[in-house]
Amino acid sequence: EIVLTQSPGTLSLSPGEGATLSCRASQSVINDYLAWYQHQPGQAPRLLIHDASSRASGIPDRFSGSGSGTDFILTISRLEPEDFAVYFCQQYGSSPYSFGQGTKLEIK
Amino acid sequence: QVQLQESGPGLVKPSETLSLTCNVSGGSISSYYWSWIRQPPGKRLEWIGYIHHSGGTHYNPSLKSRVTMSVDTSKNQFSLRLDSVTAADTAVYFCARETVYGEFVDWGQGTLVTVSS
Repeated sequence: EIVLTQSPGTLSLSPGEGATLSCRASQSVINDYLAWYQHQPGQAPRLLIHDASSRASGIPDRFSGSGSGTDFILTISRLEPEDFAVYFCQQYGSSPYSFGQGTKLEIK
Repeated sequence: QVQLQESGPGLVKPSETLSLTCNVSGGSISSYYWSWIRQPPGKRLEWIGYIHHSGGTHYNPSLKSRVTMSVDTSKNQFSLRLDSVTAADTAVYFCARETVYGEFVDWGQGTLVTVSS
């Protein structure tokens, strides 16, 4: 099973700043099948990015994904108040699918 | 956008069977793949498995011996059964709609299931 390690565990930033979140895989993710999700407490998680860099439907362009192989990045430019949440990555190139442990983005 | 809602008992006794249902609205279950995912307290998400509307399934090997999924297209819902539960099965359980590639495009809000006597 592919293990995904996210960093940092917590990121403290202010609205208007940019955020960079990392997801590292224990082995290469086939076809760069890597997704990013946003999760607000008590709500359904929301798909942001799939295939490492493709924005999901309706996702603002301040969210972008990059990377390939074992190293992936989620970048959020110009943080809005509603962006403060937990973000997690998921690989779906190999079964069983696996998830990162999450990065909490909090208001500084 | 498809909406999903999990339902089922919030408390299950050890050694018994956990049963959850996911109701799908705003779209037909007769397309895509339908998954169950869980998150134990303080731990990362764990994919349990998926079922296709045709009834085909694929489970996480770590849970395969205890998991059964089913789909009811007439009710637009699918279900999860997890046998012989222990405290380690205490988690928030999510249902989700999965594309053919494997990313989860829609999720339910999740339901907490506690295993305790």
